[in-house]
Amino acid sequence: EAQVTQNPRYLITVTGKKLTVTCSQNMNHEYMSWYRQDPGLGLRQIYYSMNVEVTDKGDVPEGYKVSRKEKRNFPLILESPSPNQTSLYFCASSFSSGGMGGEQFFGPGTRLTVL
Amino acid sequence: AQSVTQLGSHVSVSEGALVLLRCNYSSSVPPYLFWYVQYPNQGLQLLLKYTTGATLVKGINGFEAEFKKSETSFHLTKPSAHMSDAAEYFCAVTLYSSASKIIFGSGTRLSIRP
Repeated sequence: EAQVTQNPRYLITVTGKKLTVTCSQNMNHEYMSWYRQDPGLGLRQIYYSMNVEVTDKGDVPEGYKVSRKEKRNFPLILESPSPNQTSLYFCASSFSSGGMGGEQFFGPGTRLTVL
Repeated sequence: AQSVTQLGSHVSVSEGALVLLRCNYSSSVPPYLFWYVQYPNQGLQLLLKYTTGATLVKGINGFEAEFKKSETSFHLTKPSAHMSDAAEYFCAVTLYSSASKIIFGSGTRLSIRP
């Protein structure tokens, strides 16, 4: 089954404790992206990757890191989480970016709470 | 820079009634436009998209949207609402010339009254 998987689905942590949210897709997509969803703000892009070893900042990259060592994986790293990073996070992938008419496939989301 | 405005954060309609969710965009060049739906506790999935060609676009579950350049709008409609349509709907825009950037609206929560 073609899908985007994220782990964990739910995470409660404390300020300053490094964490990684994994994202994997099995559709051989070049493009992958991370978003955060907050009430009333829709989805905001954190980072995206056009292909292996190619990443770039989105609209809200502060406090996050990413890497793209393999085509299928795109982990999101929070080196020192803070309460304002409490949010619902989505990973997405596509054969091409949205701008080329490509449909983005979304993971199920990771709900992160930072105390 | 492009932007998306969804009018109404919450829309409530009766089962069987017309659904109309409004989306206006701002773009200096021809955009690509999308509607995504998010069911509770799930990720987003594509309802429909406009890239080029016919301005009336049909999507899944009986939804359709019309690209109106003169009004910079891409409103989503469905003739007859079903209880299963209750979800959050996001309009999104991207530019042909900026392949990496997709901008989402703030979302509209659709409720269906029995």
